[in-house]
Amino acid sequence: RKEVEQDPGPFNVPEGATVAFNCTYSNSASQSFFWYRQDCRKEPKLLMSVYSSGNEDGRFTAQLNRASQYISLLIRDSKLSDSATYLCVVIGSSNTGKLIFGQGTTLQVKP
Amino acid sequence: EPEVTQTPSHQVTQMGQEVILRCVPISNHLYFYWYRQILGQKVEFLVSFYNNEISEKSEIFDDQFSVERPDGSNFTLKIRSTKLEDSAMYFCASRPTASTDTQYFGPGTRLTVL
Repeated sequence: RKEVEQDPGPFNVPEGATVAFNCTYSNSASQSFFWYRQDCRKEPKLLMSVYSSGNEDGRFTAQLNRASQYISLLIRDSKLSDSATYLCVVIGSSNTGKLIFGQGTTLQVKP
Repeated sequence: EPEVTQTPSHQVTQMGQEVILRCVPISNHLYFYWYRQILGQKVEFLVSFYNNEISEKSEIFDDQFSVERPDGSNFTLKIRSTKLEDSAMYFCASRPTASTDTQYFGPGTRLTVL
């Protein structure tokens, strides 16, 4: 089983749509959870951390379900500029802080 | 805003040659990492470095790889004898302290092995 699993997509949505991405992780001892955004051939950039209580940053909402080992990202009112690959990232039980990345989910927002 | 820098942005080399990829982490950061991303694949952890020594390395990080922090500002990744399958984007990242999980990534070096 992959450590972090995501549906690669692509998700093709019109501007203004709401889109949701899901991710599962295999190590129940994982400590921290993130969504990163990666544009083509660029470095990953932190979008937001994910907490059990859920957190929101503008149009973006992230949720963590530790019992199901499941992480989600909701994007409301999609913009053309949201087109990118969204990476689900986990810090495992290692104390070195190494990041474990999912394959990424590609989002294409169309006019 | 401080940022991680990497040089060169693109390196082309012949199979069997040695390459050194350079990174300048954010000043005062204490934890350093190398990741790689083969085209079309996920980002993979290579190595973490703290207090002038490797704290963890992946299976990918075999004897052909080494890291060094020679002068307190640079953080280098050396591949001694490159293989075709080493072609990838290599990202350096740094993290300020143990109490924060956030890592800051450099723009990457694209390594092409011919």
